[in-house]
Amino acid sequence: ETGVTQTPRHLVMGMTNKKSLKCEQHLGHNAMYWYKQSAKKPLELMFVYNFKEQTENNSVPSRFSPECPNSSHLFLHLHTLQPEDSALYLCASSHARAGSLATNEKLFFGSGTQLSVL
Amino acid sequence: TQLLEQSPQFLSIQEGENLTVYCNSSSVFSSLQWYRQEPGEGPVLLVTVVTGGEVKKLKRLTFQFGDARKDSSLHITAAQPGDTGLYLCAGDLRSSGTYKYIFGTGTRLKVLA
Repeated sequence: ETGVTQTPRHLVMGMTNKKSLKCEQHLGHNAMYWYKQSAKKPLELMFVYNFKEQTENNSVPSRFSPECPNSSHLFLHLHTLQPEDSALYLCASSHARAGSLATNEKLFFGSGTQLSVL
Repeated sequence: TQLLEQSPQFLSIQEGENLTVYCNSSSVFSSLQWYRQEPGEGPVLLVTVVTGGEVKKLKRLTFQFGDARKDSSLHITAAQPGDTGLYLCAGDLRSSGTYKYIFGTGTRLKVLA
């Protein structure tokens, strides 16, 4: 148990569906992240939030829409996805934003949501 | 351009064997972390190395940070099936005046009983 909880663990959706992924951290951290992990590809950073404000969007298509209502919760809203969006979506948190000032931060990850788009 | 290359990409060994995984970059890292990810789970932090030349041991795992802080290695002694997983290095990289936290390409290890 890392203190970061993601739901659902598995999700199958059609290309016309709308769904949301949820992430909650109980560690008192200020930064939260969404990563995409596809087979045979390195972890891809999607979004970074620091103190509820989005600080990074790595050219992610608009069919992925993040929301961070407070420092403990992070959502990823999905709509009109493509089959190539099938992947493991990982949420992570850290005390301060990793990579901001060489703070030697470490990330705590949830178990991920395995998404399949049909 | 991948800034953190790991090798080998895949490794399948017998229980009891030793192995070394490498993480290489042409850039300097202020610190570097190693994570292990088991199937169906997120990565879990194993260790952080900060000082060039630093060596850290975690039971049968030995981590080394290169003197120039551009590379790192992970050595596992007498591997066990429980060591199976994806090993990822990651760290703070200064590039073009900004810092980014990036992950390596990963090494997928399978230890056979």
